[in-house]
Amino acid sequence: DIQMTQSPSSMSASLGDRVTITCQASQDIGNNLIWFQQKPGKSPRPMIYYATNLANGVPSRFSGSRSGSDYSLTISSLESEDMADYHCLQYKQYPLTFGSGTKLEIK
Amino acid sequence: EVLLQQSGAELVRPGSSVKISCKASGYTFTDYYMHWVKQRPEQGLVWIGRINPANGNTVYAEKFKSKATLTADKSSNTAYMQLSSLTSEDTATYFCTNFDYWGQGVMVTVSS
Repeated sequence: DIQMTQSPSSMSASLGDRVTITCQASQDIGNNLIWFQQKPGKSPRPMIYYATNLANGVPSRFSGSRSGSDYSLTISSLESEDMADYHCLQYKQYPLTFGSGTKLEIK
Repeated sequence: EVLLQQSGAELVRPGSSVKISCKASGYTFTDYYMHWVKQRPEQGLVWIGRINPANGNTVYAEKFKSKATLTADKSSNTAYMQLSSLTSEDTATYFCTNFDYWGQGVMVTVSS
């Protein structure tokens, strides 16, 4: 199975900060990765498709990038509404696997 | 508008089974795989498996092969997941999704 090592598990940042969350894949997944945002009591929402493509309706302060086996979700200037859990998912190979999640809190 | 409408919360006894549903609307049901995802309280997301509604073909994560059974009814655009031999470890919220859209989740509580 492909392991997705996500970090950090939690973080606290101030409004306006640049925030980066990372998933490292244990095997080659190409760009077959989705980033999801999940707010308390809600279903996940896709934010980034195919590692770097912004989903419809997602603010442009969100971006996705890849460096080798490391995949990053970056928020360029943190806003209060960004407080949520973030999850990565690889869909290159069955079984599909999620990262362990990142809880993002606002200082 | 695409909607995945899931059935209501379930309180079930240990050792029993439960079948939850996911009714799709707003798109062609047979055009997209339906995936099922488990989330235990305050924990991450776990992929259970997927079904191809067009032909019923299924793929499961190894740990769910004897736990979950996925089916789909093309006539009603509804996907189902049956969970068997329930234990407290199965207490969780279960989502159906095609990853573009998600159901609202079904909370399954296993308790005597």
